[in-house]
Amino acid sequence: KAGVTQTPRYLIKTRGQQVTLSCSPISGHRSVSWYQQTPGQGLQFLFEYFSETQRNKGNFPGRFSGRQFSNSRSEMNVSTLELGDSALYLCASTLEIRNTGELFFGEGSRLTVL
Amino acid sequence: AQSVTQLGSHVSVSEGALVLLRCNYSSSVPPYLFWYVQYPNQGLQLLLKYTSAATLVKGINGFEAEFKKSETSFHLTKPSAHMSDAAEYFCAVSPMDSSYKLIFGSGTRLLVRP
Repeated sequence: KAGVTQTPRYLIKTRGQQVTLSCSPISGHRSVSWYQQTPGQGLQFLFEYFSETQRNKGNFPGRFSGRQFSNSRSEMNVSTLELGDSALYLCASTLEIRNTGELFFGEGSRLTVL
Repeated sequence: AQSVTQLGSHVSVSEGALVLLRCNYSSSVPPYLFWYVQYPNQGLQLLLKYTSAATLVKGINGFEAEFKKSETSFHLTKPSAHMSDAAEYFCAVSPMDSSYKLIFGSGTRLLVRP
């Protein structure tokens, strides 16, 4: 069974640009979550989607957005990039987080903003 | 609000020695608890999870954790460290509520000395 797939794995952008990251969940999983990981802030929750609906959003500015498609694949977008957006962005999927809470993570997309 | 505290950002042990990574949670209701491991440049991998079935939980790679409600703790142990155990370990709690997210501790980096 294929795991969570994130693309691209690495990318470099400059300040002011925008970026789109993609996540394909494990087949059958309908809940997709995104986390930002930085050395200073650790793992921070960005948002969670279930059946194309955003059910919760973390404390991030409006520049961070996401969506989920009917096949459960998800994308997140960061506009007007800032240096502080450099991070590892992790996507995770699960059948329904309220049932077990267990998340299955992808390998992440490492974003560097110059 | 629920939180997770991991004592010690870095733990160093000799190969073959006992590994003990500490985790305390704050919750009035026993939650679901997890330990994840992250190897360099990779995502998070589930080591083990507590879901109220048994207080002593065995995970992969010889790790286990004991849920102690009276101490609100969920410490991770391994009897004998191996060089391949060097990684960052995260304790997490699932509130199992409408927040639809896991709450992570700040992580503990395990160093294994030869």
